Amino acid sequence: EIVMTQSPATLSVSPGERATLSCRASQSVSTNLAWYQQKPGQAPRLLIYGASTRAPGIPARFSASGSGTDFTLTISSLQSEDFAVYYCHQYKKWPPWTFGQGTKVEIK
Amino acid sequence: QVQLVESGGGVVQPGGSLRLTCAASGFNLNDYGMHWVRQAPGKGLEWVSFIQIEELATLYADSVRGRFTVSRDKSKNTVYLQMDSLKSEDTAKYFCAKEGYCGDGSCPLHLWGEGVLVTVSS
Repeated sequence: EIVMTQSPATLSVSPGERATLSCRASQSVSTNLAWYQQKPGQAPRLLIYGASTRAPGIPARFSASGSGTDFTLTISSLQSEDFAVYYCHQYKKWPPWTFGQGTKVEIK
Repeated sequence: QVQLVESGGGVVQPGGSLRLTCAASGFNLNDYGMHWVRQAPGKGLEWVSFIQIEELATLYADSVRGRFTVSRDKSKNTVYLQMDSLKSEDTAKYFCAKEGYCGDGSCPLHLWGEGVLVTVSS
């Protein structure tokens, strides 16, 4: 099983600032890595797939990079609607499909 | 409108059963691999089960294998999750999710339903 580890667990950021979230896989997942955003009481929403491709409708302030075992999600200028929990997800080697434990982006 | 809607959740005693339904609208669910993912209260996401197109394969997490069964009804554009021998640790919100944007035969989860709550308690 591939273990996904996200850091930090919580990120406190002021609106308008940049946020950088990290995800590490216990073995290579190539670029089979997705990022999801989840707000309280809502379903996760796909933001990024293929490690760096934004899903349709996702604002350009969201960008992502990485391959192999180390990945980064960057939100260039945080908007109020971006405060949420973000999960990475590997879909390279399955079963099981595995998720990171999440990073909560909160208002500083 | 393209969407997934789950139903069938509720409160059940340990050892009991529930059947969750995931109904698709706006697209043919049978053209896609479908997953069930759960989230215990205050916790992260845990993959539960997968059903391939044409039911070529069904896969399960170790924690539910032998107790849960995933299936499709093509005529109803629906996927089911039959959950038997439920345990308190199965308490969670259950989401169905559709694969999309596949590459190398592997796919992220493109579209999610809003989820349904399952509570296992005496």
